[in-house]
Amino acid sequence: DGGITQSPKYLFRKEGQNVTLSCEQNLNHDAMYWYRQDPGQGLRLIYYSQIVNDFQKGDIAEGYSVSREKKESFPLTVTSAQKNPTAFYLCASIALNTEAFFGQGTRLTVV
Amino acid sequence: QQPVQSPQAVILREGEDAVINCSSSKALYSVHWYRQKHGEAPVFLMILLKGGEQKGHDKISASFNEKKQQSSLYLTASQLSYSGTYFCGTEPFRQGGKLIFGQGTELSVKP
Repeated sequence: DGGITQSPKYLFRKEGQNVTLSCEQNLNHDAMYWYRQDPGQGLRLIYYSQIVNDFQKGDIAEGYSVSREKKESFPLTVTSAQKNPTAFYLCASIALNTEAFFGQGTRLTVV
Repeated sequence: QQPVQSPQAVILREGEDAVINCSSSKALYSVHWYRQKHGEAPVFLMILLKGGEQKGHDKISASFNEKKQQSSLYLTASQLSYSGTYFCGTEPFRQGGKLIFGQGTELSVKP
């Protein structure tokens, strides 16, 4: 079955630690996105990528980094520079002029 | 730059109707609508691509105004299953596929 997979579902980070969230899709979509969700603030765009080896900053990119070495994969690294990383992170992929398919999300907590 | 949704929250009795609005400061290439249940991924409702377009299925429909800066989602004869948070996603023109979401509208349908 085609879809988009995020892992892990829950992740705990210590202060000063970098962590990487995985996002894989087998839908053959060119475009992939990362969003952060906090209560009452909707989905805020972190980074997006339209093609392999190219990506653009979204509205809240500071403290995050991404790579797009393969069409299927778009991992997000939350660096120690992100001072308030506790949130629900959603990855999505889209084909041209169609719906966004979302993963089930990763809930990141700083401990 | 996020689109603005209104109202922020609405409470309905089963069978009542609701309208959710989405407004952008930029001309839009497309508007998406999604519904999210707590702790789950957003689920696609519909996408509108053309100014003046209206779409619908079952008792949920949407419009995209001629100037392509506003969209409305119409829910008629609401059911308990309609409860959740509704998001509009917008793709501004000439921004290379950037998909940004509003802050959400929380809809509660009571028996």
